[in-house]
Amino acid sequence: GENVEQHPSTLSVQEGDSAVIKCTYSDSASNYFPWYKQELGKRPQLIIDIRSNVGEKKDQRIAVTLNKTAKHFSLHITETQPEDSAVYFCAASERPGGSYIPTFGRGTSLIVHP
Amino acid sequence: GAGVSQTPSNKVTEKGKYVELRCDPISGHTALYWYRQSLGQGPEFLIYFQGTGAADDSGLPNDRFFAVRPEGSVSTLKIQRTERGDSAVYLCASSPIPLGLAGTTDTQYFGPGTRLTVL
Repeated sequence: GENVEQHPSTLSVQEGDSAVIKCTYSDSASNYFPWYKQELGKRPQLIIDIRSNVGEKKDQRIAVTLNKTAKHFSLHITETQPEDSAVYFCAASERPGGSYIPTFGRGTSLIVHP
Repeated sequence: GAGVSQTPSNKVTEKGKYVELRCDPISGHTALYWYRQSLGQGPEFLIYFQGTGAADDSGLPNDRFFAVRPEGSVSTLKIQRTERGDSAVYLCASSPIPLGLAGTTDTQYFGPGTRLTVL
């Protein structure tokens, strides 16, 4: 099965700085990579996703890059704001038997200091 | 419209008891997923329904865990003979179509979760 490693576990930045979270995966068959944001006590929410036929995707201050050869993908947040503080999870999805089942990383706690 | 809802929000039970956790997906969503999230961890896949059938139950940890979705909407996760290690937040998510289907825009919408505590 798939194994997803996520680093760092905690990331502390000053407001306005950029933040980068990195994930690696083990199964070369995985081809769908979503990122979720989970605020304390709240449900995970999808913030961006990328498929294996694309190397980079951007949505305002958030971007995701994918390197299928190296089997790693990264989340980039620019001009961070205090409301970006949350736990971020990456996931890699393989498709055994036709259904995409995401394997999540352990999460990165992002703290943005005002 | 209403999002994914889960009941109860909190459940405290004693070791050995039986519990049922309910998930109401977004109306019309055919795909439904159950996850378990322990403190400091990412969600761990348990089971996935496409319509009424369990398309993939490979994440269920053992035969004490079972889930149903008899009419293709509401789903119930059932845990028999609960153990302390079952304590976690159980998350349900739904999506309009199976997650990640190539060429489509899909988002997995999570419910608020049920926090299960086994004493």
